[in-house]
Amino acid sequence: ETGVTQTPRHLVMGMTNKKSLKCEQHLGHNAMYWYKQSAKKPLELMFVYNFKEQTENNSVPSRFSPECPNSSHLFLHLHTLQPEDSALYLCASSQGGTTWEQYFGPGTRLTVT
Amino acid sequence: AQTVTQSQPEMSVQEAETVTLSCTYDTSESNYYLFWYKQPPSRQMILVIRQEAYKQQNATENRFSVNFQKAAKSFSLKISDSQLGDTAMYFCAFMKPGSNQFYFGTGTSLTVIP
Repeated sequence: ETGVTQTPRHLVMGMTNKKSLKCEQHLGHNAMYWYKQSAKKPLELMFVYNFKEQTENNSVPSRFSPECPNSSHLFLHLHTLQPEDSALYLCASSQGGTTWEQYFGPGTRLTVT
Repeated sequence: AQTVTQSQPEMSVQEAETVTLSCTYDTSESNYYLFWYKQPPSRQMILVIRQEAYKQQNATENRFSVNFQKAAKSFSLKISDSQLGDTAMYFCAFMKPGSNQFYFGTGTSLTVIP
């Protein structure tokens, strides 16, 4: 596969469940990002990893826990979520340097019931 | 903190016509990057065009061009000869080099009418 892939594409979970979102990039990039996309709101940057080190955490609730085992993989672990956490979660990667272009995955549509 | 404003939630254009999407931003930085991203229905977000703030010349990519007004903090996207495949959400984004922080607007939903 090429580009940025995300699994699963759709997820329905109860408020007491624990689940994980997976992102993989096949571009050789060194930075990876998690975004939350909700209707009529700007994309919210949640976490940033640069060379596997977390560099940004934009006041995200602790029920979201990121993990970056290597530069190609990024996880978002979810537990005890709230209905307002329902959204499209996008993963992106970038090379950095002089272009800073981000490549996005297709997203995981999360519904919390 | 930087903010990005897209004041047009929805727009439509006739096929083959030209449309301009507006974007304004607020920053105290002098060097930064601006982007327009396109998100087609149920498809991945892709980069349309990029502008470095230190470059005075407006960026162009085929039918897509920008009008970058640094003093006014304005960054509009012009789509010429609109095609049905241009139907999508368009997001304006701001980024300060080296910060790993990207700021997005709320998006403009563009519909190209056949």
